[in-house]
Amino acid sequence: GQQLNQSPQSMFIQEGEDVSMNCTSSSIFNTWLWYKQDPGEGPVLLIALYKAGELTSNGRLTAQFGITRKDSFLNISASIPSDVGIYFCAGRNYGGSQGNLIFGKGTKLSVKP
Amino acid sequence: EAGVVQSPRYKIIEKKQPVAFWCNPISGHNTLYWYRQNLGQGPELLIRYENEEAVDDSQLPKDRFSAERLKGVDSTLKIQPAELGDSAVYLCASSLVATNEKLFFGSGTQLSVL
Repeated sequence: GQQLNQSPQSMFIQEGEDVSMNCTSSSIFNTWLWYKQDPGEGPVLLIALYKAGELTSNGRLTAQFGITRKDSFLNISASIPSDVGIYFCAGRNYGGSQGNLIFGKGTKLSVKP
Repeated sequence: EAGVVQSPRYKIIEKKQPVAFWCNPISGHNTLYWYRQNLGQGPELLIRYENEEAVDDSQLPKDRFSAERLKGVDSTLKIQPAELGDSAVYLCASSLVATNEKLFFGSGTQLSVL
């Protein structure tokens, strides 16, 4: 079945640093989404991308839909302690899986004050 | 406006016992999802409902798992009997319609099977 590969698996950075993470797929997606999950909570949607090449920002977060439609990137600028959590990419196409979202395994972000 | 509500938050049971999880989606959301999240993994879809109809249950282990959404609003997911490998967080999510990618998740039920 379809799989999403997220990297890195974890990151440990200093407050104020910029962060980059990415997600790649073995197949094409029509939609890419980025979620953040805090401990003990469900994932919360950060950014949704709908077109190849699209670049979308949400505050200090910027995400891009790769032009091959098989990858996506998330950048966080000037990280702060509340950015700590697990970031998941999710992809969706409207093919055989009836358009269900497929999640990556997550990137765990730790921020040192 | 209330978000997706799940209960209980935690459940500890012995193997072979039954267990049930409850979910109340956001008001007006027609599509409801049950996901399972194993430790260190992303959520994996178990079943998707559009109103009261289960439109995708291909990933639901039907020998022991069952779900219902009788009036197209709240939903129950049941495991009977539970196995050790069922220990995970069970997440419920809802969206306005099936084609809307913006899923809103509940806080989940953390299940431990001993």
